[in-house]
Amino acid sequence: QQQVKQSPQSLIVQKGGISIINCAYENTAFDYFPWYQQFPGKGPALLIAIRPDVSEKKEGRFTISFNKSAKQFSLHIMDSQPGDSATYFCAASIGGSTLGRLYFGRGTQLTVWP
Amino acid sequence: EAEVAQSPRYKITEKSQAVAFWCDPISGHATLYWYRQILGQGPELLVQFQDESVVDDSQLPKDRFSAERLKGVDSTLKIQPAELGDSAMYLCASTLGNTGELFFGEGSRLTVL
Repeated sequence: QQQVKQSPQSLIVQKGGISIINCAYENTAFDYFPWYQQFPGKGPALLIAIRPDVSEKKEGRFTISFNKSAKQFSLHIMDSQPGDSATYFCAASIGGSTLGRLYFGRGTQLTVWP
Repeated sequence: EAEVAQSPRYKITEKSQAVAFWCDPISGHATLYWYRQILGQGPELLVQFQDESVVDDSQLPKDRFSAERLKGVDSTLKIQPAELGDSAMYLCASTLGNTGELFFGEGSRLTVL
């Protein structure tokens, strides 16, 4: 059973546009929600993360929006650039940190056209 | 910049053969993980070590997979015998502590023929 459900599977956005990726979870014990970026042939790298005590976190062009009651969270990439083309994974864990198991979504392949 | 080192990067083997992957985490990182990533899916945890002790191996297929971290530094993941369904990327990751960031290596891609 997929603990974290991610959509869409693929996304094509024009340069300068907004990319939005959504994730949903069922386990209310999850309390740490990171997003990872993965380029072909590379391991995932942490992009941004949020804990459920805040509804939004922004770092540069990347924003996480978190809706605890709906058990959903999303990644917004503003002013998308061709260099953002990669696969993005949402994840969740219990215990408020990455020390425990991270449950990943299936990933979203983002393509940004110049 | 410190990195998680993994080898080999690529491994092609035949069904029923033994394979082994090696990981050297970032210096000082006490927690080490092995994740498996099947093409088109997200990584799934196989085993987690705290120093030399296994913390979580609930999803490790123990009939054919084994992992060790004898001195609490580098780690080896072994598969014997390999099956067709084991074809995947095997990712090693490490973390210093409760900082929230997991550092992944570039992975070892296994193809079982």
